[in-house]
Amino acid sequence: AQTVTQSQPEMSVQEAETVTLSCTYDTSESDYYLFWYKQPPSRQMILVIRQEAYKQQNATENRFSVNFQKAAKSFSLKISDSQLGDAAMYFCAYRSAIQSGATNKLIFGTGTLLAVQP
Amino acid sequence: ETGVTQTPRHLVMGMTNKKSLKCEQHLGHNAMYWYKQSAKKPLELMFVYSLEERVENNSVPSRFSPECPNSSHLFLHLHTLQPEDSALYLCASSRAGAGEETQYFGPGTRLLVL
Repeated sequence: AQTVTQSQPEMSVQEAETVTLSCTYDTSESDYYLFWYKQPPSRQMILVIRQEAYKQQNATENRFSVNFQKAAKSFSLKISDSQLGDAAMYFCAYRSAIQSGATNKLIFGTGTLLAVQP
Repeated sequence: ETGVTQTPRHLVMGMTNKKSLKCEQHLGHNAMYWYKQSAKKPLELMFVYSLEERVENNSVPSRFSPECPNSSHLFLHLHTLQPEDSALYLCASSRAGAGEETQYFGPGTRLLVL
């Protein structure tokens, strides 16, 4: 079974600085998708960025980028020029590309709570 | 915000009560999900409906009963819950089928069982 591990329960960053959140996963599959979701306090969980395992190029979305190391099964999120609005719980998630029963099962890590200091 | 709404946002119920959680999506999706989010634990997938058919039931106790009357609505019927069922219940939706399909989440219902 696949697992996702986020080893940093909490992180803190100064406004305008850069922070990297770690995520590792375990799978025997070769084709899958990885996601970072953001859950602000009392607000909806929203997708930050996604990565297809078969793509070697790291995904980038504005100030958010990933460092995807397939061999090491590592998928870290880098937030550049941190803003106060980036404060949230960040979840790493895995989904197999193999579809069975038309499911889109996401496997989540335990999350990293990011604080942004002004 | 993301086209997925959930009601109620907060719910307090006794162990003998019966209540229902409602989820509605306005994104034209045809797959819907219930997740349980407890403190310091990963999100747990409870149920998946694809094309209005339940395709996954993750060993959830029978005191939780899902219902998907159409592709836009999803319910979670609750009865004789336990205090350990207190959690944030999240609904999500996506397009069904193969390929990379992002799940969009609702704001959740925070449930407290007394």
